[in-house]
Amino acid sequence: EVQLVQSGAEVKKPGESLKISCKGSGYSFTSYWIGWVRQMPGKGLEWMGIIYPDDSDIRYSPSFQGQVTISADKSISTAYLQWSSLKASDTAMYYCARSSTAMDPIDYWGQGTLVTVSS
Amino acid sequence: QSALTQPPSVSGSPGQSVTISCTGTSSDVGSYKRVSWYQQPPGTAPKLIIYEVSNRPSGVPDRFSGSKSGNTASLTISGLQAEDEADYYCSSYTSSSTVVFGGGTKLTVI
Repeated sequence: EVQLVQSGAEVKKPGESLKISCKGSGYSFTSYWIGWVRQMPGKGLEWMGIIYPDDSDIRYSPSFQGQVTISADKSISTAYLQWSSLKASDTAMYYCARSSTAMDPIDYWGQGTLVTVSS
Repeated sequence: QSALTQPPSVSGSPGQSVTISCTGTSSDVGSYKRVSWYQQPPGTAPKLIIYEVSNRPSGVPDRFSGSKSGNTASLTISGLQAEDEADYYCSSYTSSSTVVFGGGTKLTVI
């Protein structure tokens, strides 16, 4: 069974750093792309970027380029999304998601990680 | 890149049909068959219901159908059921090798 299991909810202060994770199982982790999607409270889905874990080819949405870093460790089948300095506006649910290629639709989603940034 | 344009809300009665539009540009919807639709009930992760404009994944009822004309894609749900009440999002691959979502449409079954 394909599963994407994300790390737990986080509560952080503005200016702090954060790295959340997404562990894939039940499939060949290096044969699929892993993307990240933001959903701010009461708002829609926003595509942030995507990584191919086998060679770490990464594409970022222009809206998120420079704001976050996407990475992966294929040895432990885990993808990451990180911030160096959080802002209150980063408060959102973050989903990881799997695609066959960067062009293909998302066929599996993680359960989401809620990040709350508040002073 | 701007989000694809969807109507904020649509509604219909059980048994009726509704159509949700998704308007992009010649750099995304208009240039690729890579248009998908996702259903997101409240408090849950999205679920793929249409891919490559008009294809349904296994297990998705044939009440859900998709089409595209020019820069606009559409999702039609026929024979509305109460369980169809959810938010619906379109997405498209873009000429920048990225993906863009629509703003989302809330479907209310009245």
